Amino acid sequence: EVQLVQGGGGLVQPGGSLRLSCAASGFMFSRHWMSWVRQAPGKGLEWVAYMRHDGSGQEYVESVRGRFTISRDDAKRSLYLQMNFLIAEDTAVYYCARDTIGGMSGGQMDYWGQGTLVTVSS
Amino acid sequence: DIQMTQSPSTLSASVGDRVTITCRASQTVNSWLAWYQQKPGKAPKLLIYKASSLQSGVPSRFSGSGSGTEFTLTISSLQPDDSATYYCQQYNTYRSFGQGTKVEIK
Repeated sequence: EVQLVQGGGGLVQPGGSLRLSCAASGFMFSRHWMSWVRQAPGKGLEWVAYMRHDGSGQEYVESVRGRFTISRDDAKRSLYLQMNFLIAEDTAVYYCARDTIGGMSGGQMDYWGQGTLVTVSS
Repeated sequence: DIQMTQSPSTLSASVGDRVTITCRASQTVNSWLAWYQQKPGKAPKLLIYKASSLQSGVPSRFSGSGSGTEFTLTISSLQPDDSATYYCQQYNTYRSFGQGTKVEIK
């Protein structure tokens, strides 16, 4: 069974940092791109970042570029999101999601973590 | 960046009705489009990928169509369990979502 179990999250002051984690099981983690998606309270979904299966590249939404860093550890079957210089607008539930298989066209997200709330407030 | 616009933002329909949601892209996304269903407090669920391919385990009353810049999600016979918010997502260039369509049961 495919599972994505998220950790991290919580309350942080503006300007602070936080690291989210996502532990994968039930599939060949190293073959898949992985994404982070967030949802501000009462709002829609916003794609945040993705990382290619082989770690060769990553992309970010403009609003987090330079502040957030996506990374992965295939040995630990884990995905991470390091969030620095946090602002109130980063307050959201953050989801990790399984993205396309490396080498194949695609980008739909077929499995999602349970989500973790990040609150940026003083 | 590719902007995705859904319409309507909210719709109310009766059980058994045929429901259609539209998604428009600011530039072509070819057929690289997915649809998701999200219920309150839950993670999104993939319904449709590559514009018209039904994800495994999704009821056949859900269907998708379109290409280029205009897409539709159709629920052929609305069921009580379909009350949710639906999102389109392009993956032609990076990723981006529509703003969502909330479907309510009358």
